Amino acid sequence: AQSVTQLGSHVSVSEGALVLLRCNYSSSVPPYLFWYVQYPNQGLQLLLKYTSAATLVKGINGFEAEFKKSETSFHLTKPSAHMSDAAEYFCAVRAGAGTASKLTFGTGTRLQVTL
Amino acid sequence: EAGVTQFPSHSVIEKGQTVTLRCDPISGHDNLYWYRRVMGKEIKFLLHFVKESKQDESGMPNNRFLAERTGGTYSTLKVQPAELEDSGVYFCASSQDRTQYFGPGTRLLVL
Repeated sequence: AQSVTQLGSHVSVSEGALVLLRCNYSSSVPPYLFWYVQYPNQGLQLLLKYTSAATLVKGINGFEAEFKKSETSFHLTKPSAHMSDAAEYFCAVRAGAGTASKLTFGTGTRLQVTL
Repeated sequence: EAGVTQFPSHSVIEKGQTVTLRCDPISGHDNLYWYRRVMGKEIKFLLHFVKESKQDESGMPNNRFLAERTGGTYSTLKVQPAELEDSGVYFCASSQDRTQYFGPGTRLLVL
């Protein structure tokens, strides 16, 4: 079974500051990991994904995440926050390779960006 | 290429009524998923179709929920009769490989 823990339901940063959203996972098989973003009044948009290739994954809008097996983490970072980054971010895990299977999500982290 | 679409975007119904949600996946995607987010909680898996067959329906809450995917194209999710706790956002996703692409969701409010 898989599970995801996102520490911090709300994170507030100043514009231009580092963004760090935490995600820890539990998986009995090598995981596939995803970050999705939901902007206000919109659906879920794929931000980036880890599928067992490079451990540092770059996504859209300047975001990146690093897969650390020893820490069972997949934290999302962005060097400099922009007002347009304000949204809710979801970390998700999928069990292994091969056939398609369901995603297990964390509870989400709402990012606020202030001037 | 068109993304995943869902209809309606919002639905407000009374307890005991029936509601049908529709999802049109990305063309050519064999896998179609339904998820739900109840307010304040995580997004939870409901079920997974591969073409027209139900691959995994372990997340369906009870027999008031019925999902179909006739012909392996679009899917419907019917709630009958709706209860207050069914309120939430229902997401549909489709995939052809390991990456799932989500629709905008249907916001359901049961009064």
